[in-house]
Amino acid sequence: DAGITQSPRYKITETGRQVTLMCHQTWSHSYMFWYRQDLGHGLRLIYYSAAADITDKGEVPDGYVVSRSKTENFPLTLESATRSQTSVYFCASRLAGFYNEQFFGPGTRLTVL
Amino acid sequence: DQQVKQNSPSLSVQEGRISILNCDYTNSMFDYFLWYKKYPAEGPTFLISISSIKDKNEDGRFTVFLNKSAKHLSLHIVPSQPGDSAVYFCAASMNSGGSNYKLTFGKGTLLTVNP
Repeated sequence: DAGITQSPRYKITETGRQVTLMCHQTWSHSYMFWYRQDLGHGLRLIYYSAAADITDKGEVPDGYVVSRSKTENFPLTLESATRSQTSVYFCASRLAGFYNEQFFGPGTRLTVL
Repeated sequence: DQQVKQNSPSLSVQEGRISILNCDYTNSMFDYFLWYKKYPAEGPTFLISISSIKDKNEDGRFTVFLNKSAKHLSLHIVPSQPGDSAVYFCAASMNSGGSNYKLTFGKGTLLTVNP
């Protein structure tokens, strides 16, 4: 399917476990982003990538790891999940260049017990 | 320090009337502003945007106004429809200076349009 997809849509895990959230886009957008949405905080940027093999930290990167070996994929890994990482995670992508919007995936709801 | 602020957590309007959602920002380097709409259990969807060289942008029922001197923008929806009921996020970015197009979001405003 065309567009941007995330998997899984829902995930329950336990404290200390490693979890990987997947993001895939079919537009060949060079830029990709990971956000988390929490009550009272809106959306906050975790990590972003300008191209394959180029990643950088956002506002709240602690406890997360990203990689981008292919343009279309941008997985987000929680190396040792904590309860504070319970959140809804959104992946987004955009074209390079001024005045382009970001397109968001449907989100992954992660619960850490 | 919150750089993009939406001070109204919620807004309720009658169908057919105007909805006005407000957003303030503190960083004068922001030069591109966007509004996103979000329904429950879905990702945000792009609604409308405005660059800092303009003061108004219109798309159908949606108009965004930018007041740079006041660091304020607003989204007008006329006429409001029940299907407009959603959370609206204001976002800002610095498109120049190597910012990599990162968006800074406000906390959102829940709009309810009553039939």
